[in-house]
Amino acid sequence: DGGITQSPKYLFRKEGQNVTLSCEQNLNHDAMYWYRQDPGQGLRLIYYSQIVNDFQKGDIAEGYSVSREKKESFPLTVTSAQKNPTAFYLCASTRGQHEAFFGQGTRLTVV
Amino acid sequence: AQKVTQAQTEISVVEKEDVTLDCVYETRDTTYYLFWYKQPPSGELVFLIRRNSFDEQNEISGRYSWNFQKSTSSFNFTITASQVVDSAVYFCALRRVEYGNKLVFGAGTILRVKS
Repeated sequence: DGGITQSPKYLFRKEGQNVTLSCEQNLNHDAMYWYRQDPGQGLRLIYYSQIVNDFQKGDIAEGYSVSREKKESFPLTVTSAQKNPTAFYLCASTRGQHEAFFGQGTRLTVV
Repeated sequence: AQKVTQAQTEISVVEKEDVTLDCVYETRDTTYYLFWYKQPPSGELVFLIRRNSFDEQNEISGRYSWNFQKSTSSFNFTITASQVVDSAVYFCALRRVEYGNKLVFGAGTILRVKS
């Protein structure tokens, strides 16, 4: 079945550590997105990519980095520069102007 | 600036009541798309509807209906005869076609339907 897979579902990070969240899609979609969700703040755009080897900063890119080396994959690294990384992270992909498909999310907690 | 505002943070209704979720957007783009998504407790967003900026026809799908009014920059969502299974967070979103398909979401409205 086609879809978006995010892993892991739960992730714990120690202070000062970088962690990478995985997002893979087999829908042959060109565009991919990363969002952060905090209670009461909806989804905020971190990074998005329209094509391979190209990506743009969203509204809250500081402390995050991404890569898009393959069409299917758009990993997000939460760096130590992100001071408040505890949140729910959602990855999405879309084809043309059609609706975005979302993964099941990764819940990141700083310990 | 592009912005989506969902002024209702939380709504509680009793089963079988009708409920309308408001969405107001701001954009200077000529071409854009509007969406509604549902987020159940599992966390994954479920697509409900897409509407482009040139199509102001209202739409009805079962108990769901949407009212798009360009003149007031609103794209409201009505659930008729609400059910407990409708309890979720609902998001309105705007896609900017002229700016690399940037997809911006509102803060969401929590809908609680009580039996």
